[in-house]
Amino acid sequence: GAVVSQHPSWVICKSGTSVKIECRSLDFQATTMFWYRQFPKQSLMLMATSNEGSKATYEQGVEKDKFLINHASLTLSTLTVTSAHPEDSSFYICSASQTRDVQYFGPGTRLLVL
Amino acid sequence: GQQVMQIPQYQHVQEGEDFTTYCNSSTTLSNIQWYKQRPGGHPVFLIQLVKSGEVKKQKRLTFQFGEAKKNSSLHITATQTTDVGTYFCAAVPPPDMRFGAGTRLTVKP
Repeated sequence: GAVVSQHPSWVICKSGTSVKIECRSLDFQATTMFWYRQFPKQSLMLMATSNEGSKATYEQGVEKDKFLINHASLTLSTLTVTSAHPEDSSFYICSASQTRDVQYFGPGTRLLVL
Repeated sequence: GQQVMQIPQYQHVQEGEDFTTYCNSSTTLSNIQWYKQRPGGHPVFLIQLVKSGEVKKQKRLTFQFGEAKKNSSLHITATQTTDVGTYFCAAVPPPDMRFGAGTRLTVKP
């Protein structure tokens, strides 16, 4: 149980385009989903926390208009990187939680912006 | 705000040696969790500690939660090459979880 999928697993795009990443909890309902960014050999940086049906809470320094988060249902959250630039290249990981406690992570999405 | 310090940042051991990573918080925690991320992979939940002074074991892994609920440790006995990865503690202050910087473990066969 507690499986989280993420799609796509990797994406290469041109600078200026937008990229949407989906995070799904496959066998449980996630009241809260989290989006992280991780640079090579570094820790997880929390970008935002989203609760189903409400606006996401962004961490300080994370641009809301740049990283659009939608949590439309208890099993799906999406992160859209708008007008992506090379500095947005990173490993984006989502996690899902039923209790805002234990988090189950998706496999991550590697984004490369050319 | 809530600070979660994890040390060491890196640890390189010979296979068979023991390994310990420590996590310290500036405030009392509700609970603490440990995750493992293999190279190229994503974090995987290992365990959650809730009670003051709690000790839990998973085969060669021993997890401890301090009496004051401000620190925790993960100890691996007789490391194996399969233990390679980054171990993160995640502290629940509350209201939200904060990850430590992680300890990257490499094991020389």
